[in-house]
Amino acid sequence: DAGVTQSPTHLIKTRGQQVTLRCSPKSGHDTVSWYQQALGQGPQFIFQYYEEEERQRGNFPDRFSGHQFPNYSSELNVNALLLGDSALYLCASSRELKQETQYFGPGTRLLVL
Amino acid sequence: GESVGLHLPTLSVQEGDNSIINCAYSNSASDYFIWYKQESGKGPQFIIDIRSNMDKRQGQRVTVLLNKTVKHLSLQIAATQPGDSAVYFCAENMGSGNTPLVFGKGTRLSVIA
Repeated sequence: DAGVTQSPTHLIKTRGQQVTLRCSPKSGHDTVSWYQQALGQGPQFIFQYYEEEERQRGNFPDRFSGHQFPNYSSELNVNALLLGDSALYLCASSRELKQETQYFGPGTRLLVL
Repeated sequence: GESVGLHLPTLSVQEGDNSIINCAYSNSASDYFIWYKQESGKGPQFIIDIRSNMDKRQGQRVTVLLNKTVKHLSLQIAATQPGDSAVYFCAENMGSGNTPLVFGKGTRLSVIA
């Protein structure tokens, strides 16, 4: 039973560029949430996708956008990258009807130069 | 705003001793709490959870205690091992596991062999 997977593991971009991060949820999970974790901090909620729609959103600008596909996998897109976007981006999956906790992937480490 | 916080940023314990990691929460509406373990370069790993209708829950070598009166959560690790060295986060949400998790900054546990 595969857990949550994310790609790529590491990424280096320059300011102003755009980036796309990918997530495949744990088998049987249909809900995907994205979090940003700055160094030395706890994860901060970005948004959540269910049934291919953004259902909830945290306090992040609209440079951050996402998508969920019919197979429940998800993408996080960040436009016009800033130095402050450097962080570990975490994907978490869960089952809507099961009401269980969210399970995290290994994350994508993004460095913006 | 309301948030989850931690009393101690670092904790050093001798191998074989018991560890206690504390967490204070301020959102009285939160009814579901989770402890995660995060090793360097990895995503948060689920350890144990507890709902607000309970005050204690035990797992393998771990126990979570919830005191709703003073809004305090603790994680007890029995017979701490070197492999327990990591950053530990408590997280809270309201209702189902699919609502956004609110994390604190974390406590770093260092096990001295």
